Amino acid sequence: DTGVSQNPRHKITKRGQNVTFRCDPISEHNRLYWYRQTLGQGPEFLTYFQNEAQLEKSRLLSDRFSAERPKGSFSTLEIQRTEQGDSAMYLCASGVGQIYGYTFGSGTRLTVV
Amino acid sequence: TQLLEQSPQFLSIQEGENLTVYCNSSSVFSSLQWYRQEPGEGPVLLVTVVTGGEVKKLKRLTFQFGDARKDSSLHITAAQPGDTGLYLCAGGRGATNKLIFGTGTLLAVQP
Repeated sequence: DTGVSQNPRHKITKRGQNVTFRCDPISEHNRLYWYRQTLGQGPEFLTYFQNEAQLEKSRLLSDRFSAERPKGSFSTLEIQRTEQGDSAMYLCASGVGQIYGYTFGSGTRLTVV
Repeated sequence: TQLLEQSPQFLSIQEGENLTVYCNSSSVFSSLQWYRQEPGEGPVLLVTVVTGGEVKKLKRLTFQFGDARKDSSLHITAAQPGDTGLYLCAGGRGATNKLIFGTGTLLAVQP
C-alpha cells in the first residue's frame, strides 16, 4: 500500500456526459476527502467521509455531483451532465486525523469539451 | 470567500538565497498544514502544526504557527532548485477538520 491511488489520471468528456472517478485511500485511513482544484488556485473542499458515512458536503457540490464510499474502503465521485465549468483537477486525500496530516492522490484531470 | 491569504503569490530567487512565505487569516484554525505541489500532481504534506506558537524545523525549512492560531510562516534557508514548486498552507476547520487551502505561493529557484 504505497499511497492514495486515483483513476483515471486524465478524462476528456463531452459536455452533458456523465463521468465517474475512483479513489483508493491508504487502507488504514478512516478519513477521506474530495477536493477540486482549478489552475492557479488552491484546492477547494467538496466532501468528507468518515468510514462509509458522508458527514459533510460543500455548497460547491451541486445536485449533479454525488459521492460514495461503500464499506468505508474506496470512494467514487460521479458528475452527471458535465458542464465546461466542471473542468478541473479532482483530488482525493485520506488520513487518520489532522495532527498527522493527509495524503493526497495524484488527482484526476477532467476536461469537458 | 478566501479564508487564507498567502504572500507573496510568486517568488523567483537565485539558488542559495533565503525566503519566507506568509499565510494569514482572520479565522482561528485547529491545525495548520503546509504542502508542496508540483505540476500535474497532488499536494505533498511537509508539516502539520497544532499548537499556537509552535515552531517545527525540517532540514532547511522552518515552520511557525502564530500564537493565536490564525497565521503561519514558512522560511527556507539556502534555497535549492529542487525547492521549486507551489507551496500551499491549509487550515483545519470544523468538526470534520476539512482543510481550507490558501491561495498558494509559486516558488522558482534559479540555479
